[in-house]
Amino acid sequence: DIQMTQSPSTLSASVGDRVTITCRASQSISVWLAWYQQKPGKAPKLLIYKASSLESGVPSRFTGSGSGTEFTLTISSLQPDDFATYYCQQYNSYSTFGQGTKVEIK
Amino acid sequence: EVQLVESGGGLVQPGGSLRLSCAASGFTFSTYWMTWVRQAPGKGLEWVANVKGDGSEKYYVDSVKGRFTISRDNAKNSLYLQMNSLRAEDTAVYYCAKNYGDYWSLQHWGQGTLVTVSS
Repeated sequence: DIQMTQSPSTLSASVGDRVTITCRASQSISVWLAWYQQKPGKAPKLLIYKASSLESGVPSRFTGSGSGTEFTLTISSLQPDDFATYYCQQYNSYSTFGQGTKVEIK
Repeated sequence: EVQLVESGGGLVQPGGSLRLSCAASGFTFSTYWMTWVRQAPGKGLEWVANVKGDGSEKYYVDSVKGRFTISRDNAKNSLYLQMNSLRAEDTAVYYCAKNYGDYWSLQHWGQGTLVTVSS
């Protein structure tokens, strides 16, 4: 089974900050990685697929990068609506999610 | 507009069974992989199972193999999850999701239905 490890687990930041979340896979997953945003009581929302492709309607301040075993999600300038929990998902071999990164207000 | 509406959740005793349904609309259901994802209270997301558009391929996470069965009825635009031999650790919100084409990323999600396994 492929394990996905996100870091950090919690991130405190301010509006306007540049934020980076890392996701590491226990073995190579090529570019088969997605990123989701989830707010309390709501379903997750797809942000990025295939490691770096921006889902339609998602603001361009969200950027995904990486391949193989290391991936990053970057928010270039954090907005009030971005405070949420973010998950990575590998889909190279079956599918597994990272444990999540909560972005909270500093 | 894509809509996914789950139903069938509730309280069930350990060892019991439950069948979840997901009614889909707004897209050509039969051409998309569909997935169930769950989230235990206060925890992260767990991929549970998925099924190809024509129903010919199905995959499960190890922890539900032999207990859960995913199925679909393309004539009714519906996805199902039959859950047997339920355990306390199956307690979660269960989400139905539409895959992104033939990829296993999840483009659209339902609102979820809560399953509680408790005596």
